[in-house]
Amino acid sequence: AQKVTQAQTEISVVEKEDVTLDCVYETRDTTYYLFWYKQPPSGELVFLIRRNSFDEQNEISGRYSWNFQKSTSSFNFTITASQVVDSAVYFCALSEAGYMVGAQKLVFGQGTRLTINP
Amino acid sequence: GAVVSQHPSRVICKSGTSVKIECRSLDFQATTMFWYRQFPKQSLMLMATSNEGSKATYEQGVEKDKFLINHASLTLSTLTVTSAHPEDSSFYICSAPRAGGSTDTQYFGPGTRLTVL
Repeated sequence: AQKVTQAQTEISVVEKEDVTLDCVYETRDTTYYLFWYKQPPSGELVFLIRRNSFDEQNEISGRYSWNFQKSTSSFNFTITASQVVDSAVYFCALSEAGYMVGAQKLVFGQGTRLTINP
Repeated sequence: GAVVSQHPSRVICKSGTSVKIECRSLDFQATTMFWYRQFPKQSLMLMATSNEGSKATYEQGVEKDKFLINHASLTLSTLTVTSAHPEDSSFYICSAPRAGGSTDTQYFGPGTRLTVL
């Protein structure tokens, strides 16, 4: 069975600090997808990134970066120079591979509530 | 802009009544949609997979007679909570997969907050 663990329930940092959100996953599939979503107070999930299991390249998008380590089954998310607007709940998710990336159900981690203080 | 809409965004009802929640994909067709439930400060739990033209697939422990799902068209799925009780109060979120090359993924609706009195 698939499982995603986000051990950090809540993180609070001061603005401009760097922060890393951890995500560890379990799956028996050899091909799978990993995702990060942001859920601001409004409740709507915002897609941040998708990573294929066969692509271990790390990715950077502005202040956001992701570190995918297949050897440790981890897919960590780092925010550099955090801002108050980054405050939200962040979810890591996993799905099996299929004919279409988003067509498989997602298994979510418990989420990490990130608070950026001014 | 939003690619998946949900209606209503909030609903308050009395115990015993039924509530219908609509999920629409905007500008794209979705043969599959997903319904999730999220309790306060908890994660999203998949309830069921809605399939256009066939029966929904429910996750273990989800009562199909209580949570009726109808995928009426390629852009609309509805979730009806029948005979709602206070323990059904939750945040219900739908999603739909949208193909877009490197960014194809599930896009989520804004959610419906259900409060049963």
